[in-house]
Amino acid sequence: DIQMTQSPSTLSVSVGDRVTITCRASQSISRWLAWYQQKPGKAPKLLISSASALESGAPSRFSGSASGTEFTLSISSLQPDDFATYYCQQYSSYPRTFGQGTKVEI
Amino acid sequence: DVHLVESGGGLVQPGGSLRLSCAASGFTLRSYWMTWVRQAPGKGLEWVANIKDDGRDKYYVDSVKGRFTISRDDAKNLVYLQMNSLRVDDTAVYYCARDVTRGWSPWGQGTLVTVSS
Repeated sequence: DIQMTQSPSTLSVSVGDRVTITCRASQSISRWLAWYQQKPGKAPKLLISSASALESGAPSRFSGSASGTEFTLSISSLQPDDFATYYCQQYSSYPRTFGQGTKVEI
Repeated sequence: DVHLVESGGGLVQPGGSLRLSCAASGFTLRSYWMTWVRQAPGKGLEWVANIKDDGRDKYYVDSVKGRFTISRDDAKNLVYLQMNSLRVDDTAVYYCARDVTRGWSPWGQGTLVTVSS
């Protein structure tokens, strides 16, 4: 199975900060990686696919990048609506696997 | 508007069974793979199973193989997850989601399954 290791587990930030979350795959997944945002009590929402493609409706302050087996989700200027938990997920092979999540909090 | 609504969750004893349903609307179900994902209380996300658009191929996480079965009825716009031999560690919110190849979107609101004596 492909292990997805996300860091950090928790991020304490302020509105306006630039935020970077990293996800590392245990083996090559090409660019078959998605990022999801989940708010408390709500279902996850797809933010970014194919490592760097912003989903329709997602704010442009979100961006994704890839370098080998390391993937990054960035938020250019954190807004109050962005406080949530973020998950990476690989869809290169079965079983599909997620990172353990990064909680972005004040 | 694309919409998914799960139902069928509840409290069940260890060893029991439940069937979850996912009602799809706003899109042509038969054109999409569909997925079930679960989230134990206070924990992260875990993919459970998915089913090909024609229903012929199905994939499962190892921990549910032989116990859970995913199926679909495109005429009724429904996707199912039959869960047998339930264990305490199957306790979770179960989400269905549409597979758009590049990820899963949208997701339903989830249905809670509690396995306890």
